[in-house]
Amino acid sequence: NAGVTQTPKFQVLKTGQSMTLQCAQDMNHEYMSWYRQDPGMGLRLIHYSVGAGITDQGEVPNGYNVSRSTTEDFPLRLLSAAPSQTSVYFCASSRVGGKLFFGSGTQLSVL
Amino acid sequence: AQTVTQSQPEMSVQEAETVTLSCTYDTSESDYYLFWYKQPPSRQMILVIRQEAYKQQNATENRFSVNFQKAAKSFSLKISDSQLGDAAMYFCAPGGNDMRFGAGTRLTVKP
Repeated sequence: NAGVTQTPKFQVLKTGQSMTLQCAQDMNHEYMSWYRQDPGMGLRLIHYSVGAGITDQGEVPNGYNVSRSTTEDFPLRLLSAAPSQTSVYFCASSRVGGKLFFGSGTQLSVL
Repeated sequence: AQTVTQSQPEMSVQEAETVTLSCTYDTSESDYYLFWYKQPPSRQMILVIRQEAYKQQNATENRFSVNFQKAAKSFSLKISDSQLGDAAMYFCAPGGNDMRFGAGTRLTVKP
């Protein structure tokens, strides 16, 4: 099983550029989410989805957009990258009440 | 929205000894799950233990156990017979539709 596939693993952007982080899961999980982890800190929830067509904001949604057109995919869009968005990004999925399955993470640097 | 507090940024334990990591949280949900995750330097998120809030019995997984006090909204993790491989960041996460993580506790195991 592939589990949660997250791409790219590394990305460098210039301030003001936009990009999309891809996330796909093959476990038919209802719940998907995006987190960011800054050095030495915990994971902060950006956006989450409880099913196709349903998304909601987490703790730190500003500067990010998401959509959930299918059960499998949950892309995260950075609209206009800023240095404050330099971080490691994790996508995760789960069944309701189940453990989170995490992608391998994306190291994003914004110059 | 949930808030999660891990009041111990760092903890240290001697190999083979026992250590307890604390976690308190606030949630408006009545039915939820709680998780402890471990993150070694590899950045991978590993599930340590899961507790269902409606169950009074505390969860146990081998050397790991929890002390869940629902009324006090407390969910501590006890690691018995600590091993060098237990050294990592530990994150508490009360689960609901928007699962949030504490800031983490860095556990050091001394040989």
